[in-house]
Amino acid sequence: QKEVEQNSGPLSVPEGAIASLNCTYSDRGSQSFFWYRQYSGKSPELIMSIYSNGDKEDGRFTAQLNKASQYVSLLIRDSQPSDSATYLCAVRRGQGGKLIFGQGTELSVKP
Amino acid sequence: GAVVSQHPSWVICKSGTSVKIECRSLDFQATTMFWYRQFPKQSLMLMATSNEGSKATYEQGVEKDKFLINHASLTLSTLTVTSAHPEDSSFYICSARDLKGIQYFGAGTRLSVL
Repeated sequence: QKEVEQNSGPLSVPEGAIASLNCTYSDRGSQSFFWYRQYSGKSPELIMSIYSNGDKEDGRFTAQLNKASQYVSLLIRDSQPSDSATYLCAVRRGQGGKLIFGQGTELSVKP
Repeated sequence: GAVVSQHPSWVICKSGTSVKIECRSLDFQATTMFWYRQFPKQSLMLMATSNEGSKATYEQGVEKDKFLINHASLTLSTLTVTSAHPEDSSFYICSARDLKGIQYFGAGTRLSVL
């Protein structure tokens, strides 16, 4: 079992729809959770960080964390073609530890 | 967000030569920096963790004599690919961690070894 798992996709949604990206992790000691966006040929950029159970909203993005289920998700409302990218879920045990990345989910938003 | 500068963005070199890649945190101090390698359509592969003033910690399977890492200051880490060969061609990305524990990535360096 991989430490951090994501559906590789591609996930295709129409413009204006909600895109839902999911991630599960195996280490119950994980404390910090991150979503990065990576455009093709570019490096990852941070979208959201979440540390507590529940939802965290930032603009069109909402991160959801459920530690009991070891599940973290990212919702993108009003999806735009510019949101088309690979979304990486990353998990860390403690503040001083290293990030463990999922394999990424490719999102395609169709006009 | 914080800015991490990585240079060069693209380098082509002949087989057998060495290439140095620089990673700088521009607006924050980073006691810890990370070096990743990424192949097309694959996720990031952590190569090593670089701590300021101490030796880097390499991941299993990464040759420390091949990939030399130096973290001489709180804002600069360098990766030197020694005696590069075509199989070293890849996308190398550095990352710096701020005091809040957030990791920011440089723009990456695309290395092509002929």
